[in-house]
Amino acid sequence: DAKTTQPPSMDCAEGRAANLPCNHSTISGNEYVYWYRQIHSQGPQYIIHGLKNNETNKMASLIITEDRKSSTLILPHATLRDTAVYYCIVRVVSNQGGKLIFGQGTELSVKP
Amino acid sequence: EPEVTQTPSHQVTQMGQEVILRCVPISNHLYFYWYRQILGQKVEFLVSFYNNEISEKSEIFDDQFSVERPDGSNFTLKIRSTKLEDSAMYFCASSDRAGAYNEQFFGPGTRLTVL
Repeated sequence: DAKTTQPPSMDCAEGRAANLPCNHSTISGNEYVYWYRQIHSQGPQYIIHGLKNNETNKMASLIITEDRKSSTLILPHATLRDTAVYYCIVRVVSNQGGKLIFGQGTELSVKP
Repeated sequence: EPEVTQTPSHQVTQMGQEVILRCVPISNHLYFYWYRQILGQKVEFLVSFYNNEISEKSEIFDDQFSVERPDGSNFTLKIRSTKLEDSAMYFCASSDRAGAYNEQFFGPGTRLTVL
């Protein structure tokens, strides 16, 4: 699975958009980009995933660059409850379910 | 909304003792996982399980570890002879599908403390 690079921490004002970057310059054509988050001491939570098109769901938007070497997770209106560690994970999908390889992630602090 | 549950929430044991961590995955899910997180460190994959057998395991998952799905609802992780370095939060996860839409739902974790 390709390696990802994320900033260790970011701050965001409550109500503003949080834009979390991820570099995955060695991504290969069959690897997907996944985002999970972990609110303090809880189990990780799936947010969104994509291959090459931009994706949006109830939680967030995922913007993947055309060359797929980087992506940005956007939380459009961050709340205090969005304070968490956000993980960008690149992996090949597997018909046996597949493992998640977590890095250090970005610790997002949403401030009032 | 269905969720993964884990028991106990906190387990304290003496070094060398056996522990069993229990998980109840979401009921229609077929893919099961264990991960662990040592305090202050990243979440690490231990093992995946499908169709009553291990699909994949990490280097951490040595002979001291085993997994079992003893009935239709429980999924357990056994550590035969605990070491101090096994102290961690253990997360169970499950998913209803493979492929790109393999969204893994995590439980709240069991904090294992080995003394």
